Order: sequence, then C-alpha cells, then structure tokens
Amino acid sequence: QKEVEQNSGPLSVPEGAIASLNCTYSDRGSQSFFWYRQYSGKSPELIMFIYSNGDKEDGRFTAQLNKASQYVSLLIRDSQPSDSATYLCAVNFYTGRRALTFGSGTRLQVQP
Amino acid sequence: DTEVTQTPKHLVMGMTNKKSLKCEQHMGHRAMYWYKQKAKKPPELMFVYSYEKLSINESVPSRFSPECPNSSLLNLHLHALQPEDSALYLCASSPSDSPLAEQYFGPGTRLTVT
Repeated sequence: QKEVEQNSGPLSVPEGAIASLNCTYSDRGSQSFFWYRQYSGKSPELIMFIYSNGDKEDGRFTAQLNKASQYVSLLIRDSQPSDSATYLCAVNFYTGRRALTFGSGTRLQVQP
Repeated sequence: DTEVTQTPKHLVMGMTNKKSLKCEQHMGHRAMYWYKQKAKKPPELMFVYSYEKLSINESVPSRFSPECPNSSLLNLHLHALQPEDSALYLCASSPSDSPLAEQYFGPGTRLTVT
C-alpha cells in the first residue's frame, strides 16, 4: 500500500514567522510531488509542485524534496493569517496507477 | 487561466432521485478526474478519464456513473444514492495523464443526500 504521511497539526506559528510543513511517502520510485492549500469549505488549490531533489521557490513558498529520505516539505516565509488553512501533500506514485495519493493534510494556524 | 468550473454548487437529493454533476474546462487538458471528499479527510479518487476514455475506476459503486461527452466536459450521474454519499464532489483536470502533470481542481459540488 503506497502511503503519504503528514502530521495533522494544528501547526501554530506567529504572524511573520516561517511555517514548515512536512510530508513523507512510501514509494522510493515516486516522480512528482504537489502541495495544495485548502480553506475550510473550499476546494484544494495548487500551490507548488516539484520533481527534482533540492529546493524550488515561488514567492513566499519554497518546496524542498529529498528523494533519498523520501520526504518533501513546504516552507512558508513571512506567514500571514490568510495562510491559515489545511495543506495537502500529494504524490504521484509512478509505479502502478497514475493518480495522486493525498496525505491527510496539516492544519496551519497563523496567529496575528 | 487554470479554471475548472462545476455545477451545481450545492445539490440536495432524495435517495430515489436521479441527478447529474457537471464539470467543464477549456484549458485543452486531456485528463479529467472525479474525487469525493468527506469532512476533514483528503480527496479520494473515484474516476479518471484520459483522452476521453475511462482509465481508472476506483471500485466505485454503480450508483455513480461517469461520462465524458468530449474533451472539455465531464459528468457524474447519480442514482439511488445513500445518505453516506453526502460529501464534496470535486472535479479536476490536468494537461495529460503523465505522472508529472499537475492537477487543477474545480470549486466542487456540495451534495447532501436525504
């Protein structure tokens, strides 16, 4: 069974701090990794995707991938109260069916 | 523009009703997906269409029937649903069914079965 694991949280950080969200996955052969943000009652919104080891930056967001350790993380710099949401990590396990497997999500709370 | 639209936004139906959910994208994407999401849970994959052909059916009960009339449209026909089928139904699309392709979600249809 291919799995994606996330700490459910809540992760509470003060406004302006760096929020660090982590995700581990079970299949070493996985090729693509996605972070979605989901506000309560809304649909998931794609924030970042990463394929290669290392860091990928987009504005205040940085995705980090370490395939040897099978983890992917999302850093949010200068966190704002509007970043308070559930962050879903999704992995496309290359072997087997080609579809996203989601982690259970981490709830982030940014305190003003 | 990465927009996927879904109608209706909300749907209340009885267990004997027949209804349909509609999803549309005009991004030229060739893969489309239906997910079901219960409260405080991640989305669960139901169906995948790739180039208008059903490529994945996650052992979904036959009371859910997907249809892909063309490359821009995806329907989900509902019949004889149960109260436990109440959930947020999400449509997504991606440029292709490549494992590297990102998926974009629509706003969802909130379904309540009474």
